[in-house]
Amino acid sequence: AQSVTQLDSHVSVSEGTPVLLRCNYSSSYSPSLFWYVQHPNKGLQLLLKYTSAATLVKGINGFEAEFKKSETSFHLTKPSAHMSDAAEYFCVVSGRTGGYNKLIFGAGTRLAVHP
Amino acid sequence: NAGVTQTPKFQVLKTGQSMTLQCAQDMNHNSMYWYRQDPGMGLRLIYYSASEGTTDKGEVPNGYNVSRLNKREFSLRLESAAPSQTSVYFCASSPRTSGGNEQFFGPGTRLTVL
Repeated sequence: AQSVTQLDSHVSVSEGTPVLLRCNYSSSYSPSLFWYVQHPNKGLQLLLKYTSAATLVKGINGFEAEFKKSETSFHLTKPSAHMSDAAEYFCVVSGRTGGYNKLIFGAGTRLAVHP
Repeated sequence: NAGVTQTPKFQVLKTGQSMTLQCAQDMNHNSMYWYRQDPGMGLRLIYYSASEGTTDKGEVPNGYNVSRLNKREFSLRLESAAPSQTSVYFCASSPRTSGGNEQFFGPGTRLTVL
């Protein structure tokens, strides 16, 4: 069975400092992994995805994530936070289960960015 | 392209009332999905449609029905709304049902059941 755990429900950073949002996954086979972002009262937008190519994945708005199989982790990072990064972030694992493209969502990490 | 659109954006119902949430996509995707989002629980799959003409239950299907009207449209119906169905509902689509495909989400419908 697949699962995903986001290790922090809330993260608070100052503008201009690095961002680290942590995600661990569990999968019985090589997974596809995603990070989605949700700004307040908006839908979900794909930030980046890993599908067994390069282990360091670059996404939109300066975000990147590194797939570490030995640690079963897929942490999201950004070198310098902007105010506009304040949002909720979801780590997601995908796999074909029962004939469909099943996405398993983490509970989310709310990122606050302070001036 | 509008992507995935949902109507209505907001809805308030009384317990026992019925309603249908509409979803349409213009990306020629085969697969469509309905999720609900509750605080601290991420998104949970209600129903999905792998292709036109097929629908299947997800994790939390009780109290809901769906219709895949055509390739573009996938509706979610609450026959007798309950306060436990107060949630934000998202529709999504993907090109096909292979594991590496990301899903594209609509803006959501915020439903309150009194």
